[in-house]
Amino acid sequence: DSGVTQTPKHLITATGQRVTLRCSPRSGDLSVYWYQQSLDQGLQFLIQYYNGEERAKGNILERFSAQQFPDLHSELNLSSLELGDSALYFCASSLDRGSNSPLHFGNGTRLTVT
Amino acid sequence: GESVGLHLPTLSVQEGDNSIINCAYSNSASDYFIWYKQESGKGPQFIIDIRSNMDKRQGQRVTVLLNKTVKHLSLQIAATQPGDSAVYFCAENTGTASKLTFGTGTRLQVTL
Repeated sequence: DSGVTQTPKHLITATGQRVTLRCSPRSGDLSVYWYQQSLDQGLQFLIQYYNGEERAKGNILERFSAQQFPDLHSELNLSSLELGDSALYFCASSLDRGSNSPLHFGNGTRLTVT
Repeated sequence: GESVGLHLPTLSVQEGDNSIINCAYSNSASDYFIWYKQESGKGPQFIIDIRSNMDKRQGQRVTVLLNKTVKHLSLQIAATQPGDSAVYFCAENTGTASKLTFGTGTRLQVTL
């Protein structure tokens, strides 16, 4: 068990809808990362937050947004959903803001857009 | 269900043999590397890491080798067990960015 908790585990929704994915990092970790894993793209970095502030941005669509709250949990909001957004969404956390420690991943949220 | 792509390179080894999984990384400025294991239906699990000032690091049954000259990373698993069956990813960090960039993954199948 990595200590990173993601909810829900599964989400099925229709095109055009909006969903929110939730992540609780490991105790003591200040950085939260979001990754998308689809069959043809592998693990793609979306965005990172450190202690409540956006730290780095990757290939995140404008329809997607995230935030990290004072208690350090994070939410990823996906709106105007398209079929191609179906994927596994992983949250990871680490102690520091940079590259000096491994990321620890949750077990993901499987999003299916129909 | 499966959580990764179906067209991954696959390495099949017999139980008890040693496994070697290879990874070519892209950025010569990368200074930190990690190997992850991903089992079906789970998130990537940290196995071992190595910094660019080292060329070898050992853990329990695993060894990571780093060859910066050819930008190559390998993971060696000793006495491979059925529980080692999974997809293995290497990841690199350039040090100037706070994100990890993942390779495409290798599926390890352990046969009895």
